[in-house]
Amino acid sequence: GAVVSQHPSWVICKSGTSVKIECRSLDFQATTMFWYRQFPKQSLMLMATSNEGSKATYEQGVEKDKFLINHASLTLSTLTVTSAHPEDSSFYICSASAGKGQPQHFGDGTRLSIL
Amino acid sequence: SQQGEEDPQALSIQEGENATMNCSYKTSINNLQWYRQNSGRGLVHLILIRSNEREKHSGRLRVTLDTSKKSSSLLITASRAADTASYFCATGLNQAGTALIFGKGTTLSVSS
Repeated sequence: GAVVSQHPSWVICKSGTSVKIECRSLDFQATTMFWYRQFPKQSLMLMATSNEGSKATYEQGVEKDKFLINHASLTLSTLTVTSAHPEDSSFYICSASAGKGQPQHFGDGTRLSIL
Repeated sequence: SQQGEEDPQALSIQEGENATMNCSYKTSINNLQWYRQNSGRGLVHLILIRSNEREKHSGRLRVTLDTSKKSSSLLITASRAADTASYFCATGLNQAGTALIFGKGTTLSVSS
């Protein structure tokens, strides 16, 4: 149980395009979803926290207009990287939590490469 | 900002040996969690230990927590090649599904 599906797993696109990443909790309702970014051989850095039906809370230094987050349902959150540039290339990972006292369950990540 | 610091950064052992990883953190916590990440993949939750617990077991895993020293350890006994991965500790500041603050991780290599 507690499966989180993240799609796509890998995407390559040209600079200036927008990329949407989906995060779905398949067998539980996720009241909260989290988006992380990970550079090679480094730890996960939290980008934003999203609660279903409300605006996401962004961490300091993360551009809200650059990284658009939508959490329209209890099983789906999306991250859209707008007007992507090479410096946005990274590994993006989402996680979902069923609620209070519950562990976070992670997707398999999306490797984004901007040419 | 990062909360946890794992030690060592890298660890290489032979199959069958035990592997111990340590994690230190800075602020008061509600719980501490350990995750495993295989190369290029997402994270797999291993174990959660609450601030009022001192030790927890799960299969070949043993986690300890010392809140007075703000530190935790993860012991993997009788290691296997499949245990090769990066291991991260993460601290949760409250129970309401709040975001986790991850340490830098320990890369474990188990050779057969």
